[in-house]
Amino acid sequence: NAGVTQTPKFRILKIGQSMTLQCTQDMNHNYMYWYRQDPGMGLKLIYYSVGAGITDKGEVPNGYNVSRSTTEDFPLRLELAAPSQTSVYFCASTSGLAGDADTQYFGPGTRLTVL
Amino acid sequence: QQQVKQSPQSLIVQKGGISIINCAYENTAFDYFPWYQQFPGKGPALLIAIRPDVSEKKEGRFTISFNKSAKQFSLHIMDSQPGDSATYFCAAPAYSGAGSYQLTFGKGTKLSVIP
Repeated sequence: NAGVTQTPKFRILKIGQSMTLQCTQDMNHNYMYWYRQDPGMGLKLIYYSVGAGITDKGEVPNGYNVSRSTTEDFPLRLELAAPSQTSVYFCASTSGLAGDADTQYFGPGTRLTVL
Repeated sequence: QQQVKQSPQSLIVQKGGISIINCAYENTAFDYFPWYQQFPGKGPALLIAIRPDVSEKKEGRFTISFNKSAKQFSLHIMDSQPGDSATYFCAAPAYSGAGSYQLTFGKGTKLSVIP
């Protein structure tokens, strides 16, 4: 199993551009998450999904959108990129077999810079 | 919104010493407290977790201690090694609506173990 994969690894955007961060998991997990990590600020939840077709906002959803058309994929869309979106983005998944108290498996991250 | 306060922000320990990281939470949806370990350039990975019908859990050199009345839990790393140098995050579950619970992470502790 590859686990959770994310593409791209690095990206530089200009202000106002848009892009999609890709996330795929091959563990047949129902729950998927997007976090952003800023220096000294920990992990902030952007959006999450409890299954295909079901998504909900996390703590910091503004400026982002998500979709979940399949169990495997959970892309994160940035519209009109702003410097405040410069961050490292992590996708994670969990089976949910132990309810929400379950191990989250993280991808390797995407480092995004908006200039 | 669940708050998880983690301290210290950074920690330097001599090889063979004990590393102690503390977390405090305000409220929790249920008793499940994981610790995640993150090496530079990688995604976080579950290190150890406690589901407290017990007050302590030990796995090798890593121990979680939990004080429910004080709403605090801590990570102890015995015989710290240079390979333990990483950033450590505590987390606690928070109710996010519609029967769903999400992890709220602390801001992280950067541990450096010097030879």
